[in-house]
Amino acid sequence: DAKTTQPPSMDCAEGRAANLPCNHSTISGNEYVYWYRQIHSQGPQYIIHGLKNNETNEMASLIITEDRKSSTLILPHATLRDTAVYYCIAMGPNQGGKLIFGQGTELSVKP
Amino acid sequence: DTAVSQTPKYLVTQMGNDKSIKCEQNLGHDTMYWYKQDSKKFLKIMFSYNNKELIINETVPNRFSPKSPDKAHLNLHINSLELGDSAVYFCASSPGRGREEKLFFGSGTQLSVL
Repeated sequence: DAKTTQPPSMDCAEGRAANLPCNHSTISGNEYVYWYRQIHSQGPQYIIHGLKNNETNEMASLIITEDRKSSTLILPHATLRDTAVYYCIAMGPNQGGKLIFGQGTELSVKP
Repeated sequence: DTAVSQTPKYLVTQMGNDKSIKCEQNLGHDTMYWYKQDSKKFLKIMFSYNNKELIINETVPNRFSPKSPDKAHLNLHINSLELGDSAVYFCASSPGRGREEKLFFGSGTQLSVL
């Protein structure tokens, strides 16, 4: 299981883009990069995932470097409701949904 | 309709008691999980079931016994509760059929053992 490293905290101004970095230098070729977030007192919420290509959905964009050693989650227009802990997780297809959560990045969106 | 629902939301009990937490999903998923979040906010998998069959058991004490009566339900029974069992327990489900598993989590059960 690849270990991921994230900054413990970040601030972002409301309405601006939030760019959350993640290092996963030991990721193996078949491991996907998943992003989840946990808003205070709620269960974790799936955001997005990718293998090699950049991905975009209604919540966010995921940029994965060509060497796959790092990625960035982008929330294009952060709102106060995006304040949460964001987790970057590397998981392979044979891990049966066993997400290994680190400490994540606590994102504070400020007015 | 809540996709993954667990009850109760709060559970306060005395040491030594036996308690259960129920979980149901209406997403038609094949795989269900129990995760535990301790006081330091670390989230860790405890169990997973695929179509009622135990797939993952992360060296959880025998006092914890998951039960899956059908693939839409995964209940967690805890015997002889200890102070250290105090935590938030999250149920989750995923399709369980492909290479890419997206997990959907319930809102959690906060267990306090006194």
